[in-house]
Amino acid sequence: DFVMTQSPDSLAVSLGERATINCKSSQSVLYSSNNKNYLSWYQQKPGQPPKLLIYWASSRESGVPDRFSGSGSGTDFTLTISSLQAEDVAIYYCQQYYTIPVTFGGGTKVEIK
Amino acid sequence: EVQLVESGGGLIQPGGSLRLSCAASGFTFSNYDMYWVRQPTGKGLEWVSAIATGGETYYANSVRGRFTISRENAKDSLYLQMNSLRAEDTGVYFCAREKEGFGLNTLDYWGQGILVIVSS
Repeated sequence: DFVMTQSPDSLAVSLGERATINCKSSQSVLYSSNNKNYLSWYQQKPGQPPKLLIYWASSRESGVPDRFSGSGSGTDFTLTISSLQAEDVAIYYCQQYYTIPVTFGGGTKVEIK
Repeated sequence: EVQLVESGGGLIQPGGSLRLSCAASGFTFSNYDMYWVRQPTGKGLEWVSAIATGGETYYANSVRGRFTISRENAKDSLYLQMNSLRAEDTGVYFCAREKEGFGLNTLDYWGQGILVIVSS
């Protein structure tokens, strides 16, 4: 199985500052035939289901604010919140869908400093 | 509006059985692969099972042989039959829709989840 490792486990960022979350896959999730990275990012707030933010590593889902961006390729990926807002307090998960079983990172908790 | 609504959870004794349902609306259910993902209380997300539009099924090693996923397109419904339940099956179970497209894809809509507690 592909193991997804996120870092840090948690981070505290001041309002308006940048938050950066990393995700590393044990194997490449880049499919060479279409040059796509099979990597998503989700946001989960307490008592709610995960919400899709980013897919194909860098494509923003419709309706997601542009302060959220994804980058990376192969095995190393980053989710960046360019200017943290109070409503961004949540746990963020990366997920690979390159192969079954799809697997998730352990999550990164983002809080306000 | 896409909606996924899970039902059928609850408290069950170890070794027991439970059937979860997921009612879909707002989209053409038969056109989409569907998933079950679970989350133990206070922990991360774990993929459980998936079913393709053509009926092909896939399972996590931890549930293979005990859980059965199925779909009834005429009723826009997804199911998860869970047998021989164990304490480690406890958690919130989400149904989720795979984004339309060729091959594997991300999960773009999730239900609110249903709690399953396996305990004596």
